Amino acid sequence: SAVISQKPSRDICQRGTSLTIQCQVDSQVTMMFWYRQQPGQSLTLIATANQGSEATYESGFVIDKFPISRPNLTFSTLTVSNMSPEDSSIYLCSVVAGNNEQFFGPGTRLTVL
Amino acid sequence: AQSVTQLGSHVSVSEGALVLLRCNYSSSVPPYLFWYVQYPNQGLQLLLKYTSAATLVKGINGFEAEFKKSETSFHLTKPSAHMSDAAEYFCAVSGGRSASKIIFGSGTRLSIRP
Repeated sequence: SAVISQKPSRDICQRGTSLTIQCQVDSQVTMMFWYRQQPGQSLTLIATANQGSEATYESGFVIDKFPISRPNLTFSTLTVSNMSPEDSSIYLCSVVAGNNEQFFGPGTRLTVL
Repeated sequence: AQSVTQLGSHVSVSEGALVLLRCNYSSSVPPYLFWYVQYPNQGLQLLLKYTSAATLVKGINGFEAEFKKSETSFHLTKPSAHMSDAAEYFCAVSGGRSASKIIFGSGTRLSIRP
């Protein structure tokens, strides 16, 4: 299994600012993903965080708005840039462990005023 | 590409009744299929998954799901609903043997009537 921690667990931010969310895994993993869950909605994949190269973004998501870093096999960050109230969501990190099982982090609950 | 469709955004059953949550998938490769549960203000929990072994998959809390390739379905069932089963349920698909991204359905909210 993989134990995932995310920081911060929640935050309230002002419109126009940026927030960086950290995802730390207790073991090296092959794949890491970032998801968004808007209020009352399902999970939407934002991007695949690639170690040592640029992230792969899903349709509707762009690097300028959601820059992602993955410097090694246990850590990734997602930045939500120039935030607006529409960015209020839960942001989840997810990883695929050695047995090809996918695990989800506890999420970061973001509120933008 | 993969996608899932969950039929019914809200399902309500009586306590003790059969639970049936419907999920149909689309995949260009042999899929892996999942059911996740999310209790209010909590994270995602894996209920069960299909990875090309037995077509009838048993999960936690008495849930099971059957993979039917001919119907492209992966419906979730439980013989007897319990009040504690009230939650949001998500069907999800990924692209087969190699580790790959999981695509989620829109979710079904399950309510249990006393």
